[in-house]
Amino acid sequence: GQNIDQPTEMTATEGAIVQINCTYQTSGFNGLFWYQQHAGEAPTFLSYNVLDGLEEKGRFSSFLSRSKGYSYLLLKELQMKDSASYLCAVRTGANNLFFGTGTRLTVIP
Amino acid sequence: DTGVSQNPRHKITKRGQNVTFRCDPISEHNRLYWYRQTLGQGPEFLTYFQNEAQLEKSRLLSDRFSAERPKGSFSTLEIQRTEQGDSAMYLCASTKYKTATNEKLFFGSGTQLSVL
Repeated sequence: GQNIDQPTEMTATEGAIVQINCTYQTSGFNGLFWYQQHAGEAPTFLSYNVLDGLEEKGRFSSFLSRSKGYSYLLLKELQMKDSASYLCAVRTGANNLFFGTGTRLTVIP
Repeated sequence: DTGVSQNPRHKITKRGQNVTFRCDPISEHNRLYWYRQTLGQGPEFLTYFQNEAQLEKSRLLSDRFSAERPKGSFSTLEIQRTEQGDSAMYLCASTKYKTATNEKLFFGSGTQLSVL
């Protein structure tokens, strides 16, 4: 089976930096995705990593270590609108996409 | 490009009834996925298609669930003899798959099913 773990909830202050971790054990690996999901809405794509290292995109960065089965999403200069669930998803060897349970981030003033 | 469209947005049904949902993917997207999501959880994989072929189906999916994509365009998901545990948001997503590259999924707004 597929196992993808993330913290359930996190709280951070507006303007701060927050790191959301994800560990995975899957049958094969063909890339890791991060999606953002606001309450009552569909998930939207944030980032993709397939090689080890850091991918930066504006205020959002994502890191991958394949040997450790580990990724994190880094959000800088937090804004109130960043309050959402952040979903880690792994594409398996069969090219299917499995999601973790998501991390609900609350940004406080 | 009108995005992924799902109908209906909401469905309320009585236990034991059959329900069918429809998903229209983004035009020319060859892969289509169905996920189920309950409150506070991530999307749970149900099944996916490449064109009209159903390539994988979750082992957790009971035989009451069936999905089709007859012409490789829209897809339907049917649940027979619904149970209260089937209450969830059913999400459809599509992508244009070529090789294992950064092909991100585009999600529809989902169908919220409530089984009474």
